[in-house]
Amino acid sequence: GAVVSQHPSRVICKSGTSVKIECRSLDFQATTMFWYRQFPKQSLMLMATSNEGSKATYEQGVEKDKFLINHASLTLSTLTVTSAHPEDSSFYICSASSGGFEAFFGQGTRLTVV
Amino acid sequence: GQSLEQPSEVTAVEGAIVQINCTYQTSGFYGLSWYQQHDGGAPTFLSYNALDGLEETGRFSSFLSRSDSYGYLLLQELQMKDSASYFCALRTNAGKSTFGDGTTLTVKP
Repeated sequence: GAVVSQHPSRVICKSGTSVKIECRSLDFQATTMFWYRQFPKQSLMLMATSNEGSKATYEQGVEKDKFLINHASLTLSTLTVTSAHPEDSSFYICSASSGGFEAFFGQGTRLTVV
Repeated sequence: GQSLEQPSEVTAVEGAIVQINCTYQTSGFYGLSWYQQHDGGAPTFLSYNALDGLEETGRFSSFLSRSDSYGYLLLQELQMKDSASYFCALRTNAGKSTFGDGTTLTVKP
């Protein structure tokens, strides 16, 4: 299957700082990328959908000013958690689609805010 | 909106067959996907049904009945490594999915 690389896999940051997570499709062009958040023992919750070259569409309840998403090219999307707080600690996962029925997931990023 | 319901836990023994059911409600349906997730890892795609019937991929099969808003994942010849969480997910447009709460499968020797 197609490969989606997410970086970093783990990050610890201080409260109040910002963290950027990258999601790259390595061997296909991702017209659409999705960002999910998953708390321990819970399901994946879609945060936002991004299409290359346009603004991301955020799900209800997700603060767009806190979770900045940039989909600058067909192979790269970034999620920046701004002014992070301990409650933002979670597992963040991206997935990428070239328009088919299958979306390929990155490895995930475990964010811990201390 | 969309909602999915699946059992929270299932336990089975090595070599057995287990079925994980998923019922859903949605206003727009494109397909039902199944994902496996091991502790600490990312979800991996297992199967997808857009039409009624059974899709078979090795030891895993997935079934869909659109009229019943129901699907299931069937795992045969269970192995210890199959212990994981399994999510059904509603596909509503290109790649976007709404996930169920997940079923934790424990395979015992």
